[in-house]
Amino acid sequence: ETGVTQSPTHLIKTRGQQVTLRCSSQSGHNTVSWYQQALGQGPQFIFQYYREEENGRGNFPPRFSGLQFPNYSSELNVNALELDDSALYLCASSPQGAGELFFGEGSRLTVL
Amino acid sequence: GQNIDQPTEMTATEGAIVQINCTYQTSGFNGLFWYQQHAGEAPTFLSYNVLDGLEEKGRFSSFLSRSKGYSYLLLKELQMKDSASYLCAVRDTSGTYKYIFGTGTRLKVLA
Repeated sequence: ETGVTQSPTHLIKTRGQQVTLRCSSQSGHNTVSWYQQALGQGPQFIFQYYREEENGRGNFPPRFSGLQFPNYSSELNVNALELDDSALYLCASSPQGAGELFFGEGSRLTVL
Repeated sequence: GQNIDQPTEMTATEGAIVQINCTYQTSGFNGLFWYQQHAGEAPTFLSYNVLDGLEEKGRFSSFLSRSKGYSYLLLKELQMKDSASYLCAVRDTSGTYKYIFGTGTRLKVLA
């Protein structure tokens, strides 16, 4: 059984650019959520997708957007990057209705 | 408001028992979770409580009191590999569906 995989693992962007992060959910999991984790902090919920629809969102501006595809993989897009967007971005998948989240290893974004 | 509080750091000795506390205030509640996160790695699931009481899983136990907005994670027979951050998280289903994480407790286990 393949776990949650994320790409890229590391990337560097400059302020104002756009970035797309990708996530493949664990087999059988139809719910995907995204988190931003700054150094020394806990993960902050960005949004969640279930069956290709966003069904939950945290306190992030609209320049953070996402997609979920029919195979349940997902993308996180961030436009107009700011220095404070530098963080580890974690994707997590879960089966429908279950509580436990299965996390990927994350994509570490540095904005210069 | 929504808030989860847990101590920033704790230190304990190998073989000892340590209790990590978590208090929460959220608009809605549908379960409390504990995750372990080693430096530079993804969080991994440890335990889940949705009803009051104690859940035991080997060396790890977690307790929940919904009326007090309080949980703790108990780690017994500490090992060096238990040095990690421990994250308390609440699943809040009021309004939009979301998970709220605390800032994490960094546990150092000393020989």
